[in-house]
Amino acid sequence: QSVLTQPPSASGTPGQRVTVSCSGSSSNIGTNTVNWYQQLPGTAPKLLIYSNNQRPSGVSDRFSGSKSGTSASLAISGLQSEDEADYYCAAWDDSLNGVVFGGGTKLTVL
Amino acid sequence: EVQVLESGGGLVQPGGSLRLSCAASGFAFSTYAMNWVRQAPGKGLEWVSGISGSSGNTYYTDSVRGRFTISRDSSKNTLYLQMNSLRVEDTAVYYCAKSHYYDVSAYVDYWGQGTLVTVSS
Repeated sequence: QSVLTQPPSASGTPGQRVTVSCSGSSSNIGTNTVNWYQQLPGTAPKLLIYSNNQRPSGVSDRFSGSKSGTSASLAISGLQSEDEADYYCAAWDDSLNGVVFGGGTKLTVL
Repeated sequence: EVQVLESGGGLVQPGGSLRLSCAASGFAFSTYAMNWVRQAPGKGLEWVSGISGSSGNTYYTDSVRGRFTISRDSSKNTLYLQMNSLRVEDTAVYYCAKSHYYDVSAYVDYWGQGTLVTVSS
């Protein structure tokens, strides 16, 4: 049981916009920033979004993040087949004194 | 170019010990916090432990506290994870991960390729 809650799966067709939600509590998302990671099949995770809505250099602007209260969302616009991956949200938890992850969302491009 | 490269994984019996290493390059190693994150087969990511830059404060998830010890040797640009009293449920790919700042609470910006630890009799 992960501290942050994500839907286990999401899907969309090429060109669509999809969103992935991440729900937490006052000790993690409610107080600290949210980061998102993309894990392509068989590879290590990669930083996708940091500090709620910032994109690292090299990450497509099709990816965007937002946060409100104790929830956060990742949006992917203009869906492409190469976006098929697992997506994880993460945040620091002040009560646990550690990093907490969501359980991950498997995105399928139909 | 930032690089982190894990080593030391393998097969170990329940109750046994293993030490993972992570060789870092391309950044001022002593300045940044470092972490270990694991992923059990077919499961999600789980943060295991972190160590801050400069002060060397350490942090652990509850399931490994008292069994695992994170440390760093800045003279060798290397991060370690000493794992004792290993359990079957510790089986996972262990990733070495660099934080963006000296504080462990900062986001992870670089990941290694991982090393597989299998605990089985």
